[in-house]
Amino acid sequence: GAGVSQSPSNKVTEKGKDVELRCDPISGHTALYWYRQSLGQGLEFLIYFQGNSAPDKSGLPSDRFSAERTGGSVSTLTIQRTQQEDSAVYLCASSYGQGTWELFFGEGSRLTVL
Amino acid sequence: AQSVSQHNHHVILSEAASLELGCNYSYGGTVNLFWYVQYPGQHLQLLLKYFSGDPLVKGIKGFEAEFIKSKFSFNLRKPSVQWSDTAEYFCAVNPAGTASKLTFGTGTRLQVTL
Repeated sequence: GAGVSQSPSNKVTEKGKDVELRCDPISGHTALYWYRQSLGQGLEFLIYFQGNSAPDKSGLPSDRFSAERTGGSVSTLTIQRTQQEDSAVYLCASSYGQGTWELFFGEGSRLTVL
Repeated sequence: AQSVSQHNHHVILSEAASLELGCNYSYGGTVNLFWYVQYPGQHLQLLLKYFSGDPLVKGIKGFEAEFIKSKFSFNLRKPSVQWSDTAEYFCAVNPAGTASKLTFGTGTRLQVTL
């Protein structure tokens, strides 16, 4: 597609359930990033992929969070046993390469944990 | 670890007023600097960036930013704002020569009134 696509756009779940958020980056972009935006907070880095490997996953807040990327394309962010503090907008971005390239963001997946 | 401060959380201006949004970062080395903008209902997009060279950087829609190394600042300016500039503005930094991870500020919400 022309831009970064994320699904679902909105997800409401009950505390303790697992959720999966999907990101489809711009074709040809080798780098993919996940960020989290909570109310009143800036964008919080979660994880970075270069191809299928994740050289930097330092931002994942706990072991309930994991992500993978397959075929150098689609990525899935999984949150297990969701907690209310996980409620946020999860943003995916891709770029042509690492570092100084412009990040292209998707519209985000808004997660609400009840 | 680097951090980014945006001291203005919410700015309200009348059309044609001049704009300056503050951004300060903490990192001792060479950095790449960015401003991203999020218009209502839209995804984040790059406004302008600084890597090296002329510290006065011009971006889209008449925006510019000045890198002042001695002050660790990268303030965003526009001489005359328009109603369509209403948006949230994010400053971001990453250390030059490193992989991708951008550190974002908490954002400044700009509201331009007619």
